[in-house]
Amino acid sequence: GAVVSQHPSWVICKSGTSVKIECRSLDFQATTMFWYRQFPKQSLMLMATSNEGSKATYEQGVEKDKFLINHASLTLSTLTVTSAHPEDSSFYICSASIDRRSYNEQFFGPGTRLTVL
Amino acid sequence: RKEVEQDPGPFNVPEGATVAFNCTYSNSASQSFFWYRQDCRKEPKLLMSVYSSGNEDGRFTAQLNRASQYISLLIRDSKLSDSATYLCVVTYTGNQFYFGTGTSLTVIP
Repeated sequence: GAVVSQHPSWVICKSGTSVKIECRSLDFQATTMFWYRQFPKQSLMLMATSNEGSKATYEQGVEKDKFLINHASLTLSTLTVTSAHPEDSSFYICSASIDRRSYNEQFFGPGTRLTVL
Repeated sequence: RKEVEQDPGPFNVPEGATVAFNCTYSNSASQSFFWYRQDCRKEPKLLMSVYSSGNEDGRFTAQLNRASQYISLLIRDSKLSDSATYLCVVTYTGNQFYFGTGTSLTVIP
């Protein structure tokens, strides 16, 4: 159980286009989903926290108008990179949270590798 | 100052060696602590949670020192399959995970 999928797994696009990435919890309902970005040889950086039915909370330095997050249901969150540029090329990973008694465990999707030409 | 700091390594150790990683965190209000493992170009996977009393899972031992604000991971009898990047994770209220930069381990035959 606790499987998270992401689609697409990789995407190549031209500069200026928008790219949508889907994150789904396949066998559980996730009250909270998170979006991370990882550049080569760096750690995961939290971009935003997404709660179903409400606006996402963005980390400092992350442009909310550029990285649009929609969390329409308890099993689906989407990240849209608007007007992508080469510097947006990165590994984008989502995670979904399950409430445990003493902590909240996060399960990670397999990631989406975005390359902007 | 970063929320979570780790020695990036790389650590290159022979098979069978014991290796230890440390991680420090800046916010004393941190609530939960984890070690994750990430293989190249893959998503992170939970290795173990870290408790104040310390916990052990086979060859892996994790310790938490709240007073000094650091956590550690000890790997005994290293295997080739242990080669990966080990990520220290700290959470606060709101369940956000904050990752360390990761420590790269290569176990050499």
